[in-house]
Amino acid sequence: GAVVSQHPSRVICKSGTSVKIECRSLDFQATTMFWYRQFPKQSLMLMATSNEGSKATYEQGVEKDKFLINHASLTLSTLTVTSAHPEDSSFYICSADDRENYGYTFGSGTRLTVV
Amino acid sequence: GNSVTQMEGPVTLSEEAFLTINCTYTATGYPSLFWYVQYPGEGLQLLLKATKADDKGSNKGFEATYRKETTSFHLEKGSVQVSDSAVYFCALSDPGSGNQFYFGTGTSLTVIP
Repeated sequence: GAVVSQHPSRVICKSGTSVKIECRSLDFQATTMFWYRQFPKQSLMLMATSNEGSKATYEQGVEKDKFLINHASLTLSTLTVTSAHPEDSSFYICSADDRENYGYTFGSGTRLTVV
Repeated sequence: GNSVTQMEGPVTLSEEAFLTINCTYTATGYPSLFWYVQYPGEGLQLLLKATKADDKGSNKGFEATYRKETTSFHLEKGSVQVSDSAVYFCALSDPGSGNQFYFGTGTSLTVIP
């Protein structure tokens, strides 16, 4: 079946630094990928839709200059959290549309802790 | 607008007990409905789905029926196992909103031997 690989699974960074999270579709091409954020005991909230070869579409309230998304190829989207602060600590998860599954395939998530 | 309301947890059951996790939704269009499962330390996996009213999704002994009249998609399993311990998310996808997903808050299930 379709697999989405997300890396790293856990990262701890210092306040003010930037962190890059990768999301790869391993056995299919994804023109569209999605980035979600999950706070403890809360649901997943869509942050942005990543479109291959064009600018990402951000949801209301999400700072596009803070959460940089690059979808340079049909199998890779990256989310960079710039100038991270402790309030950015969260679980970030990506998904890609594999068409066949129609429910989207999710990555394993990245636990970001900013200290 | 679109939203999903899911039964709050955590839920703790003994092995072989009957499971129900309630899920209701509001939608502006004709959504598809999903249940996802998240095992500890892993991402979300599609458990089952239903794309239109009265459809029943089923997988691994889990079932859910798309009830338009009650706007519900309750998850059920007749006999849970320890390996079913996970967080379960109800979700909808609305074609009218570009197939954007809306998730419930998740329900943590722990099954004890």
